[in-house]
Amino acid sequence: GQQLNQSPQSMFIQEGEDVSMNCTSSSIFNTWLWYKQDPGEGPVLLIALYKAGELTSNGRLTAQFGITRKDSFLNISASIPSDVGIYFCAGLRSGGSNYKLTFGKGTLLTVNP
Amino acid sequence: GAVVSQHPSRVICKSGTSVKIECRSLDFQATTMFWYRQFPKQSLMLMATSNEGSKATYEQGVEKDKFLINHASLTLSTLTVTSAHPEDSSFYICSALLAGLQETQYFGPGTRLLVL
Repeated sequence: GQQLNQSPQSMFIQEGEDVSMNCTSSSIFNTWLWYKQDPGEGPVLLIALYKAGELTSNGRLTAQFGITRKDSFLNISASIPSDVGIYFCAGLRSGGSNYKLTFGKGTLLTVNP
Repeated sequence: GAVVSQHPSRVICKSGTSVKIECRSLDFQATTMFWYRQFPKQSLMLMATSNEGSKATYEQGVEKDKFLINHASLTLSTLTVTSAHPEDSSFYICSALLAGLQETQYFGPGTRLLVL
């Protein structure tokens, strides 16, 4: 099925550094969601974006819903070791009976203490 | 955020047996839930959409007779893997749709299935 273009695929950073990852799509979404998944666990919702241009923060995390509704980015500031994991973007088109999520392939983040 | 639970978290079964996995939305009602399968180092693959009070909608290539889905209440969906085989071993994750003006999907913690 369709997937979002998520980049980078992986990142290796030092503790304290800032991180940025993004997702792009050829089609429009009504909602952009960012999840973090730890090994052996289900994805945990980090930030949800509902309006084009919306900029939302959750602690050290900041995400934006692109103006064109075809892209989104997630920034993590001052990274810490527990930020390690896989980050997924997901787009949602609501309306009718279709509430399926379209996922990016994920960004694997490694933080060196 | 909203909480979704799954049970069991891990299950080991013999080939040929059936396994039932439960997905519950604990603090909200979900008319729509989803079942995913995830292979190592890959993204989530949608298997089916579970609709309360009606038949599930399966994605292309997913055998509906093998992966039985029942969504009998607004807080519970079950996935039964029938006549499981080793190739069915995987990580199964459910999600529940929190509908409204701002729709969001919340995921369960996943169920690790190992078929011997």
